[in-house]
Amino acid sequence: AQTVTQSQPEMSVQEAETVTLSCTYDTSENNYYLFWYKQPPSRQMILVIRQEAYKQQNATENRFSVNFQKAAKSFSLKISDSQLGDTAMYFCAFMKPPETSGSRLTFGEGTQLTVNP
Amino acid sequence: NAGVTQTPKFQVLKTGQSMTLQCAQDMNHNSMYWYRQDPGMGLRLIYYSASEGTTDKGEVPNGYNVSRLNKREFSLRLESAAPSQTSVYFCASKTSDRAFVGHSNQPQHFGDGTRLSIL
Repeated sequence: AQTVTQSQPEMSVQEAETVTLSCTYDTSENNYYLFWYKQPPSRQMILVIRQEAYKQQNATENRFSVNFQKAAKSFSLKISDSQLGDTAMYFCAFMKPPETSGSRLTFGEGTQLTVNP
Repeated sequence: NAGVTQTPKFQVLKTGQSMTLQCAQDMNHNSMYWYRQDPGMGLRLIYYSASEGTTDKGEVPNGYNVSRLNKREFSLRLESAAPSQTSVYFCASKTSDRAFVGHSNQPQHFGDGTRLSIL
């Protein structure tokens, strides 16, 4: 079974600064997908960024980027130029290829990020 | 707007009462999921339905039952609620495998959650 670990229950950052959220995972699979979700106080689950394990290039989406280290099984999220609206719970998630797993997501425990003005 | 709709949004039950959480999606998705979210534990899969007519246990199925009523609807039932089932429950659905592998498509679309308290 896959496991996903987020070792930082809470983090804070000043507005406009950069913050990195950590995630590690354990799997015996070679091909898989990794995701970061954002959950603001509204409880919505919002996909922030995704990474396919077969791609060596790290994914980027505007101010969000990842550092994917496949050998180390590490998948960190970097938020640049932090904004007050980035305050949320962030979840790291793992998924095996859809054809093998029923597309089940395995989530980490979450990191509560607070952006301070 | 198209998406995943959960009802109710909030509910308070007494221990031993039964309840069904409803979920419906209008995106013609084949797969649907029920998760529970507890502080410090992320989202954990309760049950899922890979296609209409099938259901499978997830990580934490004990105390729950599900019904995939049709392609649109996937309900979660608590037959005899216990305080340990106090949680926020999320329903999700997934697009087809072919659509998912496309750039930036979401693996699953989530509802807004149901906050359930059991006294």
